[in-house]
Amino acid sequence: AQSVAQPEDQVNVAEGNPLTVKCTYSVSGNPYLFWYVQYPNRGLQFLLKYITGDNLVKGSYGFEAEFNKSQTSFHLKKPSALVSDSALYFCAVRDGSGNTPLVFGKGTRLSVIA
Amino acid sequence: SAVISQKPSRDICQRGTSLTIQCQVDSQVTMMFWYRQQPGQSLTLIATANQGSEATYESGFVIDKFPISRPNLTFSTLTVSNMSPEDSSIYLCSVGIVGGGTDTQYFGPGTRLTVL
Repeated sequence: AQSVAQPEDQVNVAEGNPLTVKCTYSVSGNPYLFWYVQYPNRGLQFLLKYITGDNLVKGSYGFEAEFNKSQTSFHLKKPSALVSDSALYFCAVRDGSGNTPLVFGKGTRLSVIA
Repeated sequence: SAVISQKPSRDICQRGTSLTIQCQVDSQVTMMFWYRQQPGQSLTLIATANQGSEATYESGFVIDKFPISRPNLTFSTLTVSNMSPEDSSIYLCSVGIVGGGTDTQYFGPGTRLTVL
């Protein structure tokens, strides 16, 4: 079975500082890893994904994530946080193509303080 | 990518009634997924809907409570039946887009349901 762990319920960071939101995963086959962001009263917006290739993937709004197979991690990062980045972030995994559903972590609330 | 719309965007319903949520996609997709997000919680998969066949439900979800229709490749409905306050959640539909260099799952804006 697949699973995702987001160990932090809340991450606080000052505007302009780098941010990291942690994610570890467990999957039987090759992992397909995703990050989504949810703003208040909005649906989920796709940020980035890792399927194969370079371990460092770049996504929307300046976010990037690093796939680390040995540590089974896929941490989300941004070099310089903005107040507008404050939102709920979900890491997700699936074992297979787009026709298999995602399994989500519990989410991490990011608060960027001016 | 895919553009997904849901109706209604929100509703307040009375206990014991039913609500049907519609999901429309701007392209043909094989699989559609329905998720529930309870207040302050993560997303939980309710069922997978394949056009032309019965939906596949996850553990803890049953067809009598959450009947799903999938009449064509761009549309699906989820009904929340005999509602109770515990059904108050955001319900999201989702599709997987495969091919053309992409392999990503996209989500609709969600339907926020409050049951009194």
